[in-house]
Amino acid sequence: GNSVTQMEGPVTLSEEAFLTINCTYTATGYPSLFWYVQYPGEGLQLLLKATKADDKGSNKGFEATYRKETTSFHLEKGSVQVSDSAVYFCALRPDSNYQLIWGAGTKLIIKP
Amino acid sequence: GAVVSQHPSWVICKSGTSVKIECRSLDFQATTMFWYRQFPKQSLMLMATSNEGSKATYEQGVEKDKFLINHASLTLSTLTVTSAHPEDSSFYICSAFTREGWEQFFGPGTRLTVL
Repeated sequence: GNSVTQMEGPVTLSEEAFLTINCTYTATGYPSLFWYVQYPGEGLQLLLKATKADDKGSNKGFEATYRKETTSFHLEKGSVQVSDSAVYFCALRPDSNYQLIWGAGTKLIIKP
Repeated sequence: GAVVSQHPSWVICKSGTSVKIECRSLDFQATTMFWYRQFPKQSLMLMATSNEGSKATYEQGVEKDKFLINHASLTLSTLTVTSAHPEDSSFYICSAFTREGWEQFFGPGTRLTVL
């Protein structure tokens, strides 16, 4: 079946550090992959997405590349800010469905 | 961009009462809306899929008589938690799906506390 596995948090970094949040998936066919962010007290926002292999999604300095050979979609940012503190969710949408399959979420804490 | 609102943003009620949560797509029509439940420090759990003009499809383990979903128009879906109990306290999130771009847009969530 379809599933998403994210690295457990919380992840605590200092400001300007490099960020990687790992995400791997299991799916048949060619799913679309997403990263959503949930800031404290707010709803989910789409951060970036990729719809086919080797696509790179990017937004607000964050990037993730759809790697079919390693079934991964790791989230990266070169220099994090305190304002990036949030919970990040990796998700996939199977190519035969419009529902989303969610990872457990990774809480990111950035210290000044 | 597409905006989804939820009302109320938080509600406190007594055990045994019913609570209605509204989810609206403000600037687009959504033939499908999803209702999720999020427990503290956990991921989203899909409760049901709501299609305009038809009965909602509930996920396994979700009581359809307790969580009543109505999707009366292309811009409004409601979730009613009937005879709420403290274990129903949670963060409820809706999303609206648009076939343009095949994306889900999420509401800000509703914090329900049952005393």
